[in-house]
Amino acid sequence: KQEVTQIPAALSVPEGENLVLNCSFTDSAIYNLQWFRQDPGKGLTSLLLIQSSQREQTSGRLNASLDKSSGRSTLYIAASQPGDSATYLCALTQGGSEKLVFGKGMKLTVNP
Amino acid sequence: DTGVSQDPRHKITKRGQNVTFRCDPISEHNRLYWYRQTLGQGPEFLTYFQNEAQLEKSRLLSDRFSAERPKGSFSTLEIQRTEQGDSAMYLCASSSTSGGVTEAFFGQGTRLTVV
Repeated sequence: KQEVTQIPAALSVPEGENLVLNCSFTDSAIYNLQWFRQDPGKGLTSLLLIQSSQREQTSGRLNASLDKSSGRSTLYIAASQPGDSATYLCALTQGGSEKLVFGKGMKLTVNP
Repeated sequence: DTGVSQDPRHKITKRGQNVTFRCDPISEHNRLYWYRQTLGQGPEFLTYFQNEAQLEKSRLLSDRFSAERPKGSFSTLEIQRTEQGDSAMYLCASSSTSGGVTEAFFGQGTRLTVV
């Protein structure tokens, strides 16, 4: 059974720091991996999607990488801002199923 | 608006009552998903439709839960005889496949509180 882990569960940093958020998974036979952002009481906003054949994707200050052999993905946030404060979730799909399997998320607080 | 829309945003109900939630996907998306999220957890998959066909169901979807997508457009999720353990955020997502890539887009969710 696929398990997705995000450690730490929470992180508090001062504004301007470059951040690395970690996501690990137990079964490397994945199809896509997606990073989401969730603000309190709201739905999920898709940030980046990496296909299994890709190594990384970039959007603005965000860069996501994927290493299937080690069962890891990282989300890099450059020059963090207070507006980046949210919970970040990673999720993946596997062949034969359309469902996303989520980690529990990491709550990020960026202090001004 | 071209996003996924869910209604209502909040629902408070008494234990034992039935509730129904609606999801309107992005118009060109043929796939629709329901997830449930409890506090401090990631969303858990409930069920998935491709057009009007329900193709996958989680064991979490007990016989008190039923989902429909009658015309392959909007979907409803009904919970019968609600229990306090049903209190959660119910999230709907939709997707289509383009260039071999399937990316899911989520709505704002329906927060259910069973008292």
